[in-house]
Formats: sequence, structure tokens, C-alpha cells
Amino acid sequence: GQQLNQSPQSMFIQEGEDVSMNCTSSSIFNTWLWYKQDPGEGPVLLIALYKAGELTSNGRLTAQFGITRKDSFLNISASIPSDVGIYFCAGYDNYGQNFVFGPGTRLSVLP
Amino acid sequence: GAGVSQSPSNKVTEKGKDVELRCDPISGHTALYWYRQSLGQGLEFLIYFQGNSAPDKSGLPSDRFSAERTGGSVSTLTIQRTQQEDSAVYLCASSKMDRERDTIYFGEGSWLTVV
Repeated sequence: GQQLNQSPQSMFIQEGEDVSMNCTSSSIFNTWLWYKQDPGEGPVLLIALYKAGELTSNGRLTAQFGITRKDSFLNISASIPSDVGIYFCAGYDNYGQNFVFGPGTRLSVLP
Repeated sequence: GAGVSQSPSNKVTEKGKDVELRCDPISGHTALYWYRQSLGQGLEFLIYFQGNSAPDKSGLPSDRFSAERTGGSVSTLTIQRTQQEDSAVYLCASSKMDRERDTIYFGEGSWLTVV
């Protein structure tokens, strides 16, 4: 079935730095979602993208739906300690009629 | 309720016992998913219910795992004869299945520990 790849797998950054992570697929997706999971919690939706080329911001977060519909990126500006967690991308492919999740990017923020 | 509700939030069980995990999706959401997440790992798809269609059980790891969804709403995931490798967080999610703007929302998860 479809698979999503996320890079990097993990990253360590200094507080205040900007972060960029991306998600790629071998097939076209119609929806891209970005989630953050804190330790001991369920994933929480950060940003949803529904149209190729769409660029959406949510506070310090910005995400874009790639023009090819096979990728998406998530940027976090001016990182803070509470940004620590696992960031999952997910896509909805109406051929598969199911959501597919990436393996996650684990973010650590050093004070 | 406002969000996806799961119970119990934590369950410790002895190896060989059966467990039931419950999920109450967001009202009006026709699609319901179960995922499993081992410590520090990604999300492993288990099963997907959509309306009255036959569920997609392709992710269930063995015949010890089964799930039901009664009345198109509440779902129960049952694990029979639990093994230690079943220890994980079991996450339930639901979505509206709106093809134009679909989004999936997760519950807090049920933490299962098999001792």
C-alpha cells in the first residue's frame, strides 16, 4: 500500500531556532495532515491541507501542500521547549480510502 | 462528546487474559479507526470501520484481535489471550469521511500493559 516517508527521523535543535521537516509519498494524496504527539498523549491535529500548493499557518507553524501532491513540509519558527514531541504527517488517498501515517519526526529542543 | 473518548485510559492485565478497549467517536463521524503504538514508535493501523460497509481488518496482527462497532458509533477492540508483546497504546480515531475536507481526530489512547 501507500507509504509516507518523513525526514529527518529525529532532530535536536537549540531553543529559538527554526525547524523544517517534510513528508513524501510515492503516490498522490488529496489531503495532508500534520499532527503532534506529546509523551503519553494521543496525536493532536496541527494543520490540515486540502489543496495542492496550499500554504497554511497556525501561529509559529507553517505547512504547505506540495504542487505535485506527493509531498508536504512543516516549518516551526522560533522553537520553544514545549515544541518537543513527535510530529506525524498523514495523508488521505481516496484510492486507498484510508489515512496513511508517516513514521514520525522526533523533535528535541535544547535550552 | 466533543472529542474521541477512549476507556480505560490505563489497563494492566495478566498474560493470557482477555481485554476490551472501548472507543466513543465524535458524534456524526462515520469512519472509525484503531491504531496501535508501541513505545517510541509510529502508528500501526489495525482496523477501519466506515458506515455499514465491511470493516477493513487488514492491520489486525493475529486472530486474537477483533473489533466491533455497534450501531455505527461505539467500537470495542478485544484482545484475547493477551501476550506481553501486546503491550502498547491503542489509539482510536474518527473522521467524517467528507471527501472534500476530511480530517481524522484521535482519542487520548488506552495504555495496555501485559505482565
